[in-house]
Amino acid sequence: EAQVTQNPRYLITVTGKKLTVTCSQNMNHEYMSWYRQDPGLGLRQIYYSMNVEVTDKGDVPEGYKVSRKEKRNFPLILESPSPNQTSLYFCASSRFRDRVGLASEQYFGPGTRLTVT
Amino acid sequence: TQLLEQSPQFLSIQEGENLTVYCNSSSVFSSLQWYRQEPGEGPVLLVTVVTGGEVKKLKRLTFQFGDARKDSSLHITAAQPGDTGLYLCAGETNFGNEKLTFGTGTRLTIIP
Repeated sequence: EAQVTQNPRYLITVTGKKLTVTCSQNMNHEYMSWYRQDPGLGLRQIYYSMNVEVTDKGDVPEGYKVSRKEKRNFPLILESPSPNQTSLYFCASSRFRDRVGLASEQYFGPGTRLTVT
Repeated sequence: TQLLEQSPQFLSIQEGENLTVYCNSSSVFSSLQWYRQEPGEGPVLLVTVVTGGEVKKLKRLTFQFGDARKDSSLHITAAQPGDTGLYLCAGETNFGNEKLTFGTGTRLTIIP
């Protein structure tokens, strides 16, 4: 079954304690992305990756790191979490568009609800 | 940063009624997608529209992309409780970028 998996699904942690949220996809997609979802703000992109070893900042990258050492995995790292990073996080992947006019369908993981106290 | 505004933000209607949700922007998008998100899950793609003026139908759902490719609408006919969820529009701009800009969402509740 084609899917994007995230772990953990729920996490409660304290300020400053480093954490990693894993993301894995089995569809051989080139493009992967992390979003956070907050009430009234919608989904905002944190980081994205066009392929292995190629990552770039999204709209709200401060306080986050990512890596793309393998095509299937795209972990999100919070080196020193703070309460304002309490949010619902989604990983997504899509096939790279290879010509104009095609739109990329993004497949989302089930989400990770993070609480930082 | 392109902004996509959705209206209404919340909508609660009786089963069997019709409704329309709007997605508007001042920016032009190469394509626009509609997703539905249910509690505890990630968004799931419903449809993609790529041509100005395009209309797509998915059973009781009708999606339209504005002629200028700056706006879109989702119309649901004879709403059912299974339509309940958060509806998100998302626009794509630059070819080769893959970046999606999401709207703020419309939370729809269909009352049996």
